[in-house]
This record gives sequence, C-alpha cells and structure tokens, in this order.
Amino acid sequence: GENVEQHPSTLSVQEGDSAVIKCTYSDSASNYFPWYKQELGKRPQLIIDIRSNVGEKKDQRIAVTLNKTAKHFSLHITETQPEDSAVYFCAASGMRDDKIIFGKGTRLHILP
Amino acid sequence: DSGVTQTPKHLITATGQRVTLRCSPRSGDLSVYWYQQSLDQGLQFLIQYYNGEERAKGNILERFSAQQFPDLHSELNLSSLELGDSALYFCASSVSRGEGEAFFGQGTRLTVV
Repeated sequence: GENVEQHPSTLSVQEGDSAVIKCTYSDSASNYFPWYKQELGKRPQLIIDIRSNVGEKKDQRIAVTLNKTAKHFSLHITETQPEDSAVYFCAASGMRDDKIIFGKGTRLHILP
Repeated sequence: DSGVTQTPKHLITATGQRVTLRCSPRSGDLSVYWYQQSLDQGLQFLIQYYNGEERAKGNILERFSAQQFPDLHSELNLSSLELGDSALYFCASSVSRGEGEAFFGQGTRLTVV
C-alpha cells in the first residue's frame, strides 16, 4: 500500500544553521506533497507544498525540493530560529484514491 | 483558528465503552479526513469522506466507524474501547479530494481508563 518514510525522527541544529528533512514515497501516482508543522499541543498547519510538475519551491526561509524519479522530496529550513522548534510532517497525496498519507514526523530542536 | 471544529476537546471513558467524536468542516469544504495521533507517533490515516461518500480507508479498526452527514459534518464512532485506543484524534477538511491544503481541527484527546 501507500507509504511515506521520513528521516530523521529527531534533529537538533544550532540557531542560525540549516535543517534538512527527507521523505520518500512509494506510490508513483502521488502528485501533491505538503509539509505540515505541529507545535507542542497544537494542530498541524501547512507550511509549504509542492506539486509533481515542479522541482523546487521556496517561501522565505523554507524550501522544498522534489525528485519524482527517485520518489524523494525534502524540506530545507535556512537561518533557523527558536520558533522553528516543532514537529514537521511530510505527506503525499493525489494517489488513485483521496488519501493524504503522512510520514512519522521529525522533531526539530533549535539549540541556542 | 482553522475553521474546523471538533467536539469534545477531551474525553475520558472506560474500557469497553463507545464514544462519538464530532467534526464540523470549514464552510465550503467537502472532504473530511480522520487521523489518529498516539504519543510520539505520526498521523495515522483512518478514513476520508467527500460530499457524504466514503472515498478512502486506512488502517481503521473494525470497532471504529464513521460517516459524513448531508450537512457535511462528520462523526467518528469508537466502540469496545481498549486502553490502546487512547490518542489524539484529528479531523481535517479540504475543498478538494486528496490535493490542496487540509485544515486541521484542534483534536479530541481520548483517554481510555
């Protein structure tokens, strides 16, 4: 069935450095790849998304890249700040049904 | 505020009991998704409805069922509850089917004792 693998499960970076989170998906029919951020005790919220006809998308300090051939996509956060500390989830959808399948999440710690 | 409303916010119940979780989607959204989030776990997809019709099913237990009503609100029914069913249950809604931003409710924290 459909599966989304996400790595690493935990990531600690120094404030100001960059963070990279990687995901792979199994269903080649997937064509929409959102990233959600979940702060402690709060609901997941969309931070950026990319569709399969685009290889890269950037929004200020956040960028996402997609390699459809390898079925791999990544989230890049530059100049990290304390408020970036949260759990980040990748997801894949647009498959043969309406599912949105999430990865297991990456807990990002920004160290002072 | 995402515009998605889930009730109740917290629920404590005993093993063997049955509960109903309710979700009101954002105005205009036709898709409703249900997810289970256990401690330090990801978002496990349970089931999805579009305009009243079941469209996709995940690893949802037979003890769990859901439906979407004509006014588009949805209910998730959990029966014969076990300790392991304790989790945060999220509902999300979107305009489209499987693509586009999904807006999450604040979740229902279920504790089975």
